[in-house]
Amino acid sequence: QEKVQQSPESLIVPEGAMVSLNCSFSDSASQSIWWYQQHPGKGPKALISIFSNGNKKEGRLTVYLNRASLHVSLHIKDSQPSDSAVYLCAVSLSSGSWQLIFGSGTQLTVMP
Amino acid sequence: EAAVTQSPRNKVAVTGGKVTLSCNQTNNHNNMYWYRQDTGHGLRLIHYSYGAGSTEKGDIPDGYKASRPSQENFSLILELATPSQTSVYFCASGGDRENQDTQYFGPGTRLLVL
Repeated sequence: QEKVQQSPESLIVPEGAMVSLNCSFSDSASQSIWWYQQHPGKGPKALISIFSNGNKKEGRLTVYLNRASLHVSLHIKDSQPSDSAVYLCAVSLSSGSWQLIFGSGTQLTVMP
Repeated sequence: EAAVTQSPRNKVAVTGGKVTLSCNQTNNHNNMYWYRQDTGHGLRLIHYSYGAGSTEKGDIPDGYKASRPSQENFSLILELATPSQTSVYFCASGGDRENQDTQYFGPGTRLLVL
């Protein structure tokens, strides 16, 4: 059974800081790795995904994937108070069923 | 943006009662999913469906049934609710041709079983 672990559990940063969130997974044959954002009282929203080793950049977001070390990280540049949310890492299973296995999340607070 | 709606948004039920949570999506996605979210556990998959008439067990199906009567609707049924089923339940849809594993979530249903 795929396991997804995230660190840190919570993070408080000042506005404008670079934020780094970490995620480790157990199955190197997994498909894409996803990052979702969840604001209080809302459903998760897909932010960015990566499949191949290396990095992918979209706006202020950059994600790095290293399948050999089973590790993926999300970096948020120039963080804003509106970025305050829970960030969920999710791994897409290789079974073709498009199931996602989620980590327990990182609570990010960006202080103005 | 994909649209997924859930009803009710909040529900209080008694132990042993029957609870039905409903989900509707208007994006013609083939796949639909039911999760529960609890502190410390993240999102856990209960049931999912590949299309109308199909339901599959997820990681924690015990105590839950699912029904997919149409492409748009997917229900989660608790035949005999227990206090351990108190949680926030999320429905999601997915299966776009371009991004098969992208899931779009509804706003959630907060269930309290007394």
